[in-house]
Amino acid sequence: SSELTQDPAVSVALGQTVRITCQGDSLRSPYASWYQQKPGQAPLLVIYGKNNRPSGIPDRFSGFTSGNTASLTITGAQAEDEADYYCNFRDSSNNHLVFGGGTKLTVL
Amino acid sequence: QLQLQESGPGLVKPSETLSLTCNVSGGSISSSAYFWAWIRQPPGQGLEWLGTIYYSGITYYNPSLRRRVTISVDTSKNQFSLMLSSVTAADTAVYYCARLGELTLDYWGQGALVTVSS
Repeated sequence: SSELTQDPAVSVALGQTVRITCQGDSLRSPYASWYQQKPGQAPLLVIYGKNNRPSGIPDRFSGFTSGNTASLTITGAQAEDEADYYCNFRDSSNNHLVFGGGTKLTVL
Repeated sequence: QLQLQESGPGLVKPSETLSLTCNVSGGSISSSAYFWAWIRQPPGQGLEWLGTIYYSGITYYNPSLRRRVTISVDTSKNQFSLMLSSVTAADTAVYYCARLGELTLDYWGQGALVTVSS
């Protein structure tokens, strides 16, 4: 099965751009999903498919997948973006899901 | 608006079976477009997929938990359930149910904390 690796922690200055990455050893799906989780809350979907955002998610969030690496970019990070971010793939070969270990984003 | 709500005991004794139910409202669990999933998160840790079920009863389980996990669906009640047997303290976690579309887990329940302790 696939393993997904994320940096445990990333920081960004307010208003700057940050990229959070997710690397897999053998991804069997072309697209990652990204979830934002704030303390005490359920994960919130922010990016899915080929860079799609659910209704209500600001357009400063974008996603890209190439080869074995998926990335979430926040362009102009805001204080409210401080959270844990998880990547997720659906393995098309066996319909299993796998999550990355999560990245704690700090907005300075 | 689709809503998912987990319910079940918040405290389970070691070696016993954890049981949770996810009630789905605002949409049909029998929709052919979706699967339904359980995910958990131990305190201070990351997310772990437990398994997924289709309304017809087809299931997929995390290989690391396959021997202990059973997911079932009750279309008449519009709900699906999780059973995790032989629990230990390591199974203490917030358990989430979620809807799985073709591309993503798009709707999540608020989560239910289950503590394993005697």
